[in-house]
Amino acid sequence: SYDLTQPPSVSVSPGQTATITCSGEELTEKNVCWFRQRAGQSPLLVIYQDFRRPSGIPERFSGSNSGNTATLSITGTQAVDDGVYFCQAWDSGIAVFGGGTRLTAL
Amino acid sequence: DVQLVESGGGLVQPGQSVTLSCAASGFSFASYWMNWVRQTPGRGLEWVSRIRSDATFSSYADSVRGRFTISRDNAMNTVHLQMNSLRAEDTGVYFCVRSLVGDGTMDVWGKGTTVTVSS
Repeated sequence: SYDLTQPPSVSVSPGQTATITCSGEELTEKNVCWFRQRAGQSPLLVIYQDFRRPSGIPERFSGSNSGNTATLSITGTQAVDDGVYFCQAWDSGIAVFGGGTRLTAL
Repeated sequence: DVQLVESGGGLVQPGQSVTLSCAASGFSFASYWMNWVRQTPGRGLEWVSRIRSDATFSSYADSVRGRFTISRDNAMNTVHLQMNSLRAEDTGVYFCVRSLVGDGTMDVWGKGTTVTVSS
């Protein structure tokens, strides 16, 4: 089965850039999505097709995908960006999620 | 507003069955693939099943294939998940999720309904 690996947690000072990685075999061959989930809420799509932002997602969110690693970057991180971020890709008709990364803006 | 509202969760005994429903509104339901995704403490987010817009194709995760059945009613804007032979490991929050046409991006999620399998 296909696996996506994320670091369990990332901490960043407010105003700095947060970087969350997602690793998978030949991940660059797939379209990667990123979701943010706040406590008690359902996941929210923040990046799709590697780098596209849905309507309403701030420009400080950006994504990239190269080789075996996709990256979500949040510039000028704010407290409202706290939450758990999941990456996701489709492999052989199965949606695969990473284990999630808890982002804390200290 | 685009909205997905799940219902049907609750406490179920192992081996029993339950059917989840998802009511969609605010978009052309019949044009979109729909998914069920669950979240469990032990396994995080896990995709469960999806169904094509015209209901001619469906697929399942290995962990539920043969026990769960997805269906939809485009006239009623609803999608269902029939869950049979439930196990403790099926316990979790079940989300109804819309997929964009094309690459399957899951762009709209419901709030979820909780299924607890326990005796």
